[in-house]
Amino acid sequence: AQKVTQAQTEISVVEKEDVTLDCVYETRDTTYYLFWYKQPPSGELVFLIRRNSFDEQNEISGRYSWNFQKSTSSFNFTITASQVVDSAVYFCALSEERSFNKFYFGSGTKLNVKP
Amino acid sequence: DTGVSQNPRHKITKRGQNVTFRCDPISEHNRLYWYRQTLGQGPEFLTYFQNEAQLEKSRLLSDRFSAERPKGSFSTLEIQRTEQGDSAMYLCASSDALVGGETQYFGPGTRLLVL
Repeated sequence: AQKVTQAQTEISVVEKEDVTLDCVYETRDTTYYLFWYKQPPSGELVFLIRRNSFDEQNEISGRYSWNFQKSTSSFNFTITASQVVDSAVYFCALSEERSFNKFYFGSGTKLNVKP
Repeated sequence: DTGVSQNPRHKITKRGQNVTFRCDPISEHNRLYWYRQTLGQGPEFLTYFQNEAQLEKSRLLSDRFSAERPKGSFSTLEIQRTEQGDSAMYLCASSDALVGGETQYFGPGTRLLVL
């Protein structure tokens, strides 16, 4: 079974629209970490955020915000007022206490922001 | 502070040939990871090192694959007798091991095409 599910394969929006990327995870560990990475066309995965399982506070960083809800095992990512430079593939990842070094990635959501 | 670097960035080879990729982690990071990413999918864990010790290997890492990190600095990933199914992006990441769940910082990847 997939440990991380990103059901949205591709999303297209027009610049300045808000967009939310969904991430649902599955784990039996009580301690775990969740991550979001951005992969632009150049290929390099760029780290965006890391949350641990004990911190359910939402986080905002500029136009980016993250909503972590343990009750629904979700860690969603919202981009406010999207820009063309936000176009990329976004990956959600899980790291579990039983093996913190192994990241489980979702299959990614490709975001197209059109001018 | 330079990031993770990988060489070569692209490699085209014929089936049956051996290939070797190199990864230079962020200088103070003692953990190094290899992942494989096929088209349209998220990265999949292959193996990781703490200093020079290879501590975990995925079942994806067949006996044709070998990874080394001889002096606890750079690492090499060798694929022997390449097959077309080995065509993928090979990503390297590094982290500073503390208590677990540390962020992994990724390099630009080596894209392998086996003809």
